[in-house]
Amino acid sequence: AQSVSQHNHHVILSEAASLELGCNYSYGGTVNLFWYVQYPGQHLQLLLKYFSGDPLVKGIKGFEAEFIKSKFSFNLRKPSVQWSDTAEYFCAVKARNDMRFGAGTRLTVKP
Amino acid sequence: DAGVIQSPRHEVTEMGQEVTLRCKPISGHDYLFWYRQTMMRGLELLIYFNNNVPIDDSGMPEDRFSAKMPNASFSTLKIQPSEPRDSAVYFCASRGQGPNQPQHFGDGTRLSIL
Repeated sequence: AQSVSQHNHHVILSEAASLELGCNYSYGGTVNLFWYVQYPGQHLQLLLKYFSGDPLVKGIKGFEAEFIKSKFSFNLRKPSVQWSDTAEYFCAVKARNDMRFGAGTRLTVKP
Repeated sequence: DAGVIQSPRHEVTEMGQEVTLRCKPISGHDYLFWYRQTMMRGLELLIYFNNNVPIDDSGMPEDRFSAKMPNASFSTLKIQPSEPRDSAVYFCASRGQGPNQPQHFGDGTRLSIL
């Protein structure tokens, strides 16, 4: 079964700093990759997804992620974070119909 | 458009009581998923259905947990008897048929077992 690793449990940044959240997965076959965001007290929302094609995927709110197949990675990036980006971010991997989530990374952005 | 609807939003009950969580998926979605979220274990897939049929329930923690989907627009997750360690946020998600469909999540039910 595949597994998903998010390396950082809690990231604290100041506004305007650049963000990169790591995500690695273990699965040798074809995968679909996702990043979800969960704002405090809310449900998970889809930020972006990768299925095929250009490995650099752009999502909502200025987020992007790059799929590097050789590294089994799908890191999330944003050039300049805002206070409103404070949330928990989940990487997810889907192989066939089995979807696995990482443990999540809590992002705190200081104003 | 209505998203995935879960009820109740919050549930507080005493251990030993039966708990029933409800989910209405997005109309037309063929897959329905139940997840549990805790600080210790993150998001865990408990069970998922395809066309109302349970496909994989290997994530259900114990026999105290059961899930049903009597029709395409309704699913329940039941815990009987409940225990304090069942306290968590339970999410329901649904998605449409086809390989490129993302999951859409409900608001979750925050369950506290005293």
